Amino acid sequence: DQQVKQNSPSLSVQEGRISILNCDYTNSMFDYFLWYKKYPAEGPTFLISISSIKDKNEDGRFTVFLNKSAKHLSLHIVPSQPGDSAVYFCAASAVDRDDKIIFGKGTRLHILP
Amino acid sequence: DVKVTQSSRYLVKRTGEKVFLECVQDMDHENMFWYRQDPGLGLRLIYFSYDVKMKEKGDIPEGYSVSREKKERFSLILESASTNQTSIYLCASSRSNQPQHFGDGTRLSIL
Repeated sequence: DQQVKQNSPSLSVQEGRISILNCDYTNSMFDYFLWYKKYPAEGPTFLISISSIKDKNEDGRFTVFLNKSAKHLSLHIVPSQPGDSAVYFCAASAVDRDDKIIFGKGTRLHILP
Repeated sequence: DVKVTQSSRYLVKRTGEKVFLECVQDMDHENMFWYRQDPGLGLRLIYFSYDVKMKEKGDIPEGYSVSREKKERFSLILESASTNQTSIYLCASSRSNQPQHFGDGTRLSIL
């Protein structure tokens, strides 16, 4: 049973445009959400997070939006740059889960020149 | 900067061998985790530990065990390696309620 779903395995976006990566979750107990970025042959690196008490969190070019009623979150990257080409993992955790986080399967983002 | 170091980047072993994967973190984090990453399956949690000598099963613990004798070191053990354990293994560490920091992974091939 997949609790965190990233339904788009890949996404291609023109350099300079907005990249929008989507993520859905099924467990209503999740209250903390994260995005990780992964380059080939490297471990995932933490990008941005959001608590369930907020609906938006912004950090430079990266903004995460949370819609609790729809159990949906999205990561916006504006403007997209070549170095943003990577696999992006959505992840979620619940207060009572001892810092365990559940990862989605990832979306590969290609930034086109 | 947090440093999570995995002892090997690439490893080739034979079916039936006992395999040890080592992970060390230098930030005094309480929590440590082992994941495997497979195409189309994302990251799946094998085991985790939130204190020395403590361990908890993740989502796919079968065929694996772990050891945490010191706070900074978390070892993953494949008791009798099988070909379906060929994967990329990722170690992570974190403080409570903080994002996890990952090592660069070990690409393990079981022949």
